[in-house]
Formats: sequence, structure tokens, C-alpha cells
Amino acid sequence: GENVEQHPSTLSVQEGDSAVIKCTYSDSASNYFPWYKQELGKGPQLIIDIRSNVGEKKDQRIAVTLNKTAKHFSLHITETQPEDSAVYFCAASRQTGANNLFFGTGTRLTVIP
Amino acid sequence: GAGVSQSPSNKVTEKGKDVELRCDPISGHTALYWYRQSLGQGLEFLIYFQGNSAPDKSGLPSDRFSAERTGGSVSTLTIQRTQQEDSAVYLCASSFAKPYEQYFGPGTRLTVT
Repeated sequence: GENVEQHPSTLSVQEGDSAVIKCTYSDSASNYFPWYKQELGKGPQLIIDIRSNVGEKKDQRIAVTLNKTAKHFSLHITETQPEDSAVYFCAASRQTGANNLFFGTGTRLTVIP
Repeated sequence: GAGVSQSPSNKVTEKGKDVELRCDPISGHTALYWYRQSLGQGLEFLIYFQGNSAPDKSGLPSDRFSAERTGGSVSTLTIQRTQQEDSAVYLCASSFAKPYEQYFGPGTRLTVT
């Protein structure tokens, strides 16, 4: 099955700086890569996703890049704000042959005001 | 519109008791998933329902765990003879089509004493 690794496990940045979280996956057939943000006491919230037919996707201060050859993808948050502080999870899956998302172990991001 | 709802939000039970956790998916979503999140860990897939098809139970950790989905909507996850290692947050998600764009509920925090 798919194995997703995520780094770093914790990340602290100054407000206004950028934050980058990286994930690698093992199944070359994976073609869907979402990112979730989980705040304390809440369920994960989908913030951005990318499919394997594109290399990059942006949504305001958030961007995701995908390198299918190297089997890794990254989340980039620019101009970080204190409300970006949360745990971020990457995940991977494929449309056929898998019924669920395979998650990384999470990155706790702290934005220092 | 209304998101995924789960009840109860917290459940404390004694070892050996049975518990039932409920999930109401987003209206119109045909796919429903249960995941388990242990403290500081990523999300572990438990079970998947799609329409009237047989569920994918491949993630259930033991035969003490079962789930059903009535009328293609509400789902109940049942844990029999609970053990302390069952303590975790149980998350439900739904989507239009697997495995894309899963939307999560707030979770049920289960504590087995």
C-alpha cells in the first residue's frame, strides 16, 4: 500500500515569514494529493489539493508543488499569520484501487507574532 | 451548507463496555469514511462506504469494530468490549466520489478508562 512521510514534525516561524512542509509518497500510481489543516479540537479541514496532471497550484497565500518523478510534494505558506498556527497533514491516494486517503503524520506549525 | 456532524463529541466509557459513534455526512455525498486519530498521530483508515456497495472494511483493527450505514446516509461505528488502546479521536468524512475532496466532521473523542 501507499506510505506517506512528512517533514518536519514541528515548525516555528516568525509572523510574515514563509513556511514549507514536505511529503514523500511511495506508490507511483497515486494521483491525488490533498493538504489538511487541523486546529485544536476540530476535524481536519481541506485547504488545498493537487492532482498529478499539474505541477503547482496556488490559492492566495498557499501553494502546493508536486514532483511526480521524485514522488514528493510540498505545501508553501507565504506571509504567515498567527491564525495559520495548526497541525497540517498531507495525504495521497489514487482514484482506482484505493478507497481511502493515506496520511502523513502531521506538522505542527507555530507562527510567532 | 451543513457540514459533516458527529455525535457525541466526547465519550468516556469503562473498559469492556460497548460504544456507538454516529456520523451524519454532507447531504448528497455518496462516499463515507471512518478514520481513527491517536494522540499525536496521523489518521488511520478504518472503513469506507459507497452507495449500496459492500463496504471496504480493510482498515478495521479487530472484529470488535463494526460499522453500518443506513439508507445511504447516517453511519454508526460500534466498538464492542472496548479496550484502553481504543482511546482516540474517531473522525468521519464524506465526499461525492472517492477518494477525492473528503470533508471531515469534528470527531468523537473516545476515552476508555
